[in-house]
Amino acid sequence: GAVVSQHPSWVICKSGTSVKIECRSLDFQATTMFWYRQFPKQSLMLMATSNEGSKATYEQGVEKDKFLINHASLTLSTLTVTSAHPEDSSFYICSARRQGKEVSEQYFGPGTRLTVT
Amino acid sequence: DQQVKQNSPSLSVQEGRISILNCDYTNSMFDYFLWYKKYPAEGPTFLISISSIKDKNEDGRFTVFLNKSAKHLSLHIVPSQPGDSAVYFCAASDNSGAGSYQLTFGKGTKLSVIP
Repeated sequence: GAVVSQHPSWVICKSGTSVKIECRSLDFQATTMFWYRQFPKQSLMLMATSNEGSKATYEQGVEKDKFLINHASLTLSTLTVTSAHPEDSSFYICSARRQGKEVSEQYFGPGTRLTVT
Repeated sequence: DQQVKQNSPSLSVQEGRISILNCDYTNSMFDYFLWYKKYPAEGPTFLISISSIKDKNEDGRFTVFLNKSAKHLSLHIVPSQPGDSAVYFCAASDNSGAGSYQLTFGKGTKLSVIP
């Protein structure tokens, strides 16, 4: 199956700093990547849809200036949490979708645990 | 408003028996449904899917049933194995025109298979 990696797998940062999370599709090209956030015992909440070469589409309630998404190539999307606060602490998961494939062909990364102190 | 609901947060089943996980949805535009399995601190893994034009899809020990009129789907695992213990997420997608294949997830059901 296709592999999606995320880096880092966990990160601790201080309030006010910025953190960048990378999502890579290792063996396929992904024109679309998705960023999710999961709180404990909660569902995966879609934050934004990232399309290669264009601006990301953010879900309602997600601050685009706080969660910067860049999809610079067909294998890499980055999520930068700017001026992080403790309430941004969460589990962030990306997924990548192969172009032309069914919706089930959406592969998830292992997630990144962010803790803001 | 939650469009995909998994009303049972947890389920315990004896090894070898059938596990039935349920999912309800409210958005009639959803036309593709998926089940994902997730272990702690890992990303979800795709299990099985079903299109709205079907009412059943089977893959080995996993079968998904869709009842469109009731807006209800279920995942059957038989026989259940201890390695099936994980959180199972139901997800739905509206592919009618958006083209972005966004998934809407339920809250998940934690399945524990007891040896």
